[in-house]
Amino acid sequence: QKEVEQDPGPLSVPEGAIVSLNCTYSNSAFQYFMWYRQYSRKGPELLMYTYSSGNKEDGRFTAQVDKSSKYISLFIRDSQPSDSATYLCAMRTNGGDMRFGAGTRLTVKP
Amino acid sequence: DGGITQSPKYLFRKEGQNVTLSCEQNLNHDAMYWYRQDPGQGLRLIYYSQIVNDFQKGDIAEGYSVSREKKESFPLTVTSAQKNPTAFYLCASRTGQGSTNEKLFFGSGTQLSVL
Repeated sequence: QKEVEQDPGPLSVPEGAIVSLNCTYSNSAFQYFMWYRQYSRKGPELLMYTYSSGNKEDGRFTAQVDKSSKYISLFIRDSQPSDSATYLCAMRTNGGDMRFGAGTRLTVKP
Repeated sequence: DGGITQSPKYLFRKEGQNVTLSCEQNLNHDAMYWYRQDPGQGLRLIYYSQIVNDFQKGDIAEGYSVSREKKESFPLTVTSAQKNPTAFYLCASRTGQGSTNEKLFFGSGTQLSVL
C-alpha cells in the first residue's frame, strides 16, 4: 500500500463546475499538508498549505484536512479553463520526509 | 535573482555509465529534495537532506546516491545499478518549516534518457 493515495483521473469538467480532489494517507506521522499544481514538464507550484484539521479558504480554492480519517481534499469553485493542470497532494513529517500523491489530471472545458 | 537551478536540462546515459545531475540554490534553504517523475505519475522521493552533511533515503533510493557538502548544492548521481533511469528529475528546496510560509521551490527539471 502506498503511503499517499490519489486518484490519477483524468477528470474532465465543464467551466464553472465545482471540482473535488482527494487524497488518503496511511502514515500518521504526516503533520503538514499541501496541494501543488503542475503544468506539463514544469516544477509544481504551491497552491495551499494546511497544518491542522479543518478548512482553509483562498479565493476559489478550499483545502480540507481530516487527520482522524487521514483524508485531505481540495475544492475548486467556479472552475476555469486556466485551472486545467495536474494537481498533486503532498504531505510532510516533522522529520522532513515529504511525499506526493500520484497527481490528478484536471481538464476544464470552456 | 534567487532561485534553484538544475542542470543539464537534458541528459543521456549510456549503459553502465554513472551520471550526475546538478542542483544549486541561493535561497539559503536548509532542506533539499530529489524527486523522480515518470510519465503520467506523481513525484516519488529519492533522497532528501534537512541539513548540510546529512541526508535520508526516500522511497526509491536504490541505484542513486547524493552528497550535501555545501548548503547550496545537492547533486544526484544516477549509478549503473539503476536499471530504469529514464525519467524527469526534479530538485527542490524548502522554506518556512512548520509555518504558513512553508513551500517547496522546484528547479526546472532534468530529463534523463538512456541511449
